[in-house]
Amino acid sequence: AQTVTQSQPEMSVQEAETVTLSCTYDTSENNYYLFWYKQPPSRQMILVIRQEAYKQQNATENRFSVNFQKAAKSFSLKISDSQLGDTAMYFCAFGPNTGNQFYFGTGTSLTVIP
Amino acid sequence: GAGVSQSPSNKVTEKGKDVELRCDPISGHTALYWYRQRLGQGLEFLIYFQGNSAPDKSGLPSDRFSAERTGESVSTLTIQRTQQEDSAVYLCASSLDNRPNYGYTFGSGTRLTVV
Repeated sequence: AQTVTQSQPEMSVQEAETVTLSCTYDTSENNYYLFWYKQPPSRQMILVIRQEAYKQQNATENRFSVNFQKAAKSFSLKISDSQLGDTAMYFCAFGPNTGNQFYFGTGTSLTVIP
Repeated sequence: GAGVSQSPSNKVTEKGKDVELRCDPISGHTALYWYRQRLGQGLEFLIYFQGNSAPDKSGLPSDRFSAERTGESVSTLTIQRTQQEDSAVYLCASSLDNRPNYGYTFGSGTRLTVV
């Protein structure tokens, strides 16, 4: 069974500072994809960043980067230079190459403090 | 369309009534998914459609839940005899195909409140 765990229900960070959100997952698959989604109060889930499991290089998208540790099954999200607009729920998701669904964690509520 | 469109945005219904939720995926996206998001929880898979293949209904929580999709277009999720535990945000997502490469594009969801 695939599971995704986000152990930080809530976090806060000062504007312009850096914050790291944790995510671990469990799978027996070797090929898969990992994602971080942002859900602001508008409810729409927005893809922030994705990582292909067969790539060792950590993905980066502007201020967002990941630390992907395949052996440890860990996939953390680092947000640099935090902005007020980063305030949202963040969900980690696991997408296997087989099967018909993604598996989501329970989310981390991030608040950026001015 | 440019994005995934869901309607209604919010729905309040009385316990025991039937409700129908609509999802209009991105044009050309063959895969369509429904997820349920209860307050304070992650997303729970409900059902998956891929082209004209038989849907994967393995996530539907009870026989009160059903969904249809005509070809590669609009999908409707129907909940019969609603219960208070059905209160949640129902999210629809679509993707170009069933490979996980690029993730999903989500709609803004329907917030269902059963009173």
